[in-house]
Amino acid sequence: QQQVKQSPQSLIVQKGGISIINCAYENTAFDYFPWYQQFPGKGPALLIAIRPDVSEKKEGRFTISFNKSAKQFSLHIMDSQPGDSATYFCAAGNTGNQFYFGTGTSLTVIP
Amino acid sequence: DAMVIQNPRYQVTQFGKPVTLSCSQTLNHNVMYWYQQKSSQAPKLLFHYYDKDFNNEADTPDNFQSRRPNTSFCFLDIRSPGLGDAAMYLCATSRDRQGLTEAFFGQGTRLTVV
Repeated sequence: QQQVKQSPQSLIVQKGGISIINCAYENTAFDYFPWYQQFPGKGPALLIAIRPDVSEKKEGRFTISFNKSAKQFSLHIMDSQPGDSATYFCAAGNTGNQFYFGTGTSLTVIP
Repeated sequence: DAMVIQNPRYQVTQFGKPVTLSCSQTLNHNVMYWYQQKSSQAPKLLFHYYDKDFNNEADTPDNFQSRRPNTSFCFLDIRSPGLGDAAMYLCATSRDRQGLTEAFFGQGTRLTVV
C-alpha cells in the first residue's frame, strides 16, 4: 500500500517558471513532511520540511503548501532554474518512526 | 567533505553469492538507516539502528541482514542475492530519529546481480 502518493512522475518547466509537485497521504497521524532533492549519482538531500501546525513554509525559492484537511501537501519552486533539474521526493511520517517516500518527480528545467 | 560514505559505489555480484555493502559516517550520529531504491521507485526502509538497538521493518526479507560494529560503521549483508535485489542501496544517518533531526544520505551503492 502506497502511504504517500506523488504526482506528476515527470515535469518539464521553462526557466523562470513555477514548478509544482503534489503529494497526498492517508495516515492522519503523520506529523512531519519533508521534501528531498536528488541529483543523478547522489543520495537524497533534505530540501525543506513542514509540520501540520502551519499551512505554508518558505525557504528562498522553495515553498511547501500544506492542506491538513485534504491530507495534501505540495512543493512550489519559484523562478525555476536549470540547476533545479533533479528528482524530488516527498515523504511523510511520524516523528520517531518510519518515514514513507513518494515515488519521485523528475524535474527538467529548460533554459 | 562527504559525511556519509558508502562503498563501493557500484557492486556486481553473482546470483546467490553473499555480498556486503558498507557505510561510514563522520557525523557521530546515533541513527543509521538502510534503504533500498529500485529504478523509478521510492526509497524503501529496510532497517535502522538507534545506537546498538536494531530495528527491522516487518516486510524486510530475511535475506537482508545488518551489522553496526561501532558508531561510525554500518554494513548491509545480502546472504543470497537474487535478481530482484538489484537496486540502489542508500545509507542515511541522523542525530536522533527522523522528524526530530535531519537525515543525511550517502551517495548510494548500485548493486547489480548477474
